[in-house]
Amino acid sequence: EADIYQTPRYLVIGTGKKITLECSQTMGHDKMYWYQQDPGMELHLIHYSYGVNSTEKGDLSSESTVSRIRTEHFPLTLESARPSHTSQYLCASSARVGTDTQYFGPGTRLTVL
Amino acid sequence: AQTVTQSQPEMSVQEAETVTLSCTYDTSESDYYLFWYKQPPSRQMILVIRQEAYKQQNATENRFSVNFQKAAKSFSLKISDSQLGDAAMYFCAYRKAAGNKLTFGGGTRVLVKP
Repeated sequence: EADIYQTPRYLVIGTGKKITLECSQTMGHDKMYWYQQDPGMELHLIHYSYGVNSTEKGDLSSESTVSRIRTEHFPLTLESARPSHTSQYLCASSARVGTDTQYFGPGTRLTVL
Repeated sequence: AQTVTQSQPEMSVQEAETVTLSCTYDTSESDYYLFWYKQPPSRQMILVIRQEAYKQQNATENRFSVNFQKAAKSFSLKISDSQLGDAAMYFCAYRKAAGNKLTFGGGTRVLVKP
């Protein structure tokens, strides 16, 4: 299995709370990604990063924000959680060169009440 | 924009039998990569197999093989000698050769009957 970790694995939180989902990888990958996986299981890219201090929005608009201060760490933050944010969030990483295969973390299942 | 379509929401297969999952995609690019990912229930998404568009030879990985038809923009996955551990959601994905973003299909749930 790939060395990419996400915490927490499960989070139940009330509306209006600020939350940060953690993602870290030990593979030295330059590129990192956040996907949102809805109940129908389809995955949508919401953020990605090519390297330190580089972040871009993905295909699906999201109220979340990300930062990339260190190569191995790519946290996602929701300033004020809402029930519409309830979903599974998957983090992934890939190397800059080669076929660029993305390796996925175990995911965080977020429920906002 | 690229799209990836998996027309089978769910497939059922008897243990030790073969099942084929379909995937079609739409792109104007000539160089790209195609992937099949497996997501077992409550477990990590893992790469099953990868195909480079410039390679005519179909990729194989043990019991998993693909039928890549570039002109038809089709990329099916065949699972041979199905095992109980193959039960999972399977996602087809596309990426431009010069790009970074994966575009996923909607997934196919594979059920394996003992």
